[in-house]
Amino acid sequence: SQKIEQNSEALNIQEGKTATLTCNYTNYSPAYLQWYRQDPGRGPVFLLLIRENEKEKRKERLKVTFDTTLKQSLFHITASQPADSATYLCAPLKSSASKIIFGSGTRLSIRP
Amino acid sequence: GAVVSQHPSRVICKSGTSVKIECRSLDFQATTMFWYRQFPKQSLMLMATSNEGSKATYEQGVEKDKFLINHASLTLSTLTVTSAHPEDSSFYICSARDKGQWTEAFFGQGTRLTVV
Repeated sequence: SQKIEQNSEALNIQEGKTATLTCNYTNYSPAYLQWYRQDPGRGPVFLLLIRENEKEKRKERLKVTFDTTLKQSLFHITASQPADSATYLCAPLKSSASKIIFGSGTRLSIRP
Repeated sequence: GAVVSQHPSRVICKSGTSVKIECRSLDFQATTMFWYRQFPKQSLMLMATSNEGSKATYEQGVEKDKFLINHASLTLSTLTVTSAHPEDSSFYICSARDKGQWTEAFFGQGTRLTVV
């Protein structure tokens, strides 16, 4: 069965450092991969989408990579800030019509 | 950006009663809506996918007679938790996908359901 795993349940890093979150998937081949941010008690907010033919995508301090051979996506936040503290979720999609199934999520804490 | 409004944000009900949660796309047409539930410190679990005008598709293990989903229009979907029990207490979140822009999904603010 399809499985989506995100590297660690929680990640704590110092402000200013780069946070790197991992999303691994097994038993399917997504054509796209989305990343979302979720704050406590709120719904997720879309951040980025990367397609299988794109190696890397950037948006301001965010960078996402997509390695279909390794079946892995990496999500980077550079120059991290305490305001970046949240849970980050990945969602691989087979097609544009696919239902959105999330990974387990990584709770990121940026300490001042 | 696109807005999805979910109502109510919090609800407390007695065991055995039914609760209806509404999800509206305010400025776009949502051909597909998703319903999720989330337990504390866990990820979102997809319950069902609904397409406008057709029956919802439920994920394995989700009781369709207990969680009634209606997607009667392109801007409104409802989830009714029937005969609620304390174990149904959870955070329910809806999501809508824009007919013309599928690359992201827009989420409601969630509904905290407490069954006493």
